Amino acid sequence: GDSVTQMEGPVTLSEEAFLTINCTYTATGYPSLFWYVQYPGEGLQLLLKATKADDKGSNKGFEATYRKETTSFHLEKGSVQVSDSAVYFCALSDDGGNKLVFGAGTILRVKS
Amino acid sequence: NAGVMQNPRHLVRRRGQEARLRCSPMKGHSHVYWYRQLPEEGLKFMVYLQKENIIDESGMPKERFSAEFPKEGPSILRIQQVVRGDSAAYFCASSPRRTGQETQYFGPGTRLLVL
Repeated sequence: GDSVTQMEGPVTLSEEAFLTINCTYTATGYPSLFWYVQYPGEGLQLLLKATKADDKGSNKGFEATYRKETTSFHLEKGSVQVSDSAVYFCALSDDGGNKLVFGAGTILRVKS
Repeated sequence: NAGVMQNPRHLVRRRGQEARLRCSPMKGHSHVYWYRQLPEEGLKFMVYLQKENIIDESGMPKERFSAEFPKEGPSILRIQQVVRGDSAAYFCASSPRRTGQETQYFGPGTRLLVL
């Protein structure tokens, strides 16, 4: 079945450091790819998405490019802030749109 | 436009009791999804419903769990005879259409604790 693998955390960075969170996937067909963010005690918020190969999703300084050849969707940000501390989830949606398949999540901690 | 609403936000039950979790989708959304998040884990799909129909329940445990999305009112996830292993955060999401490209919008979740 479809699956998503994320790099394990926690990832601890100093403010203004560069962030990369790796995400790879296994899927049949042509999934759409998503990054969601979860702040403590809250639900998930969509951070960005890409629906076809070579698409780049971007939002609030975060970027990720849909790489079909490497089946990857790595999340990057050039300069993190303390307020970016959260759990980040990579997910894919199958063609049918029945469900999202999530990775295990990566905890990000940013120190001032 | 109000987001996805879930209630209660926190629910405490003793073993053997019933838990009812409610989800009101965003206005104009007729597709509802339920996910479960166990401690220190990602979200796992449970069930996908459209108004009055269960479309995909492949992630639902075979016993004690049921879901509905009536013509009027919120979607309900019902857990009968709860056990400690049911303790988790339950999230509802909604979308306006059923396609893989559509964004699912999540509610704040219901955190169930079984004593």
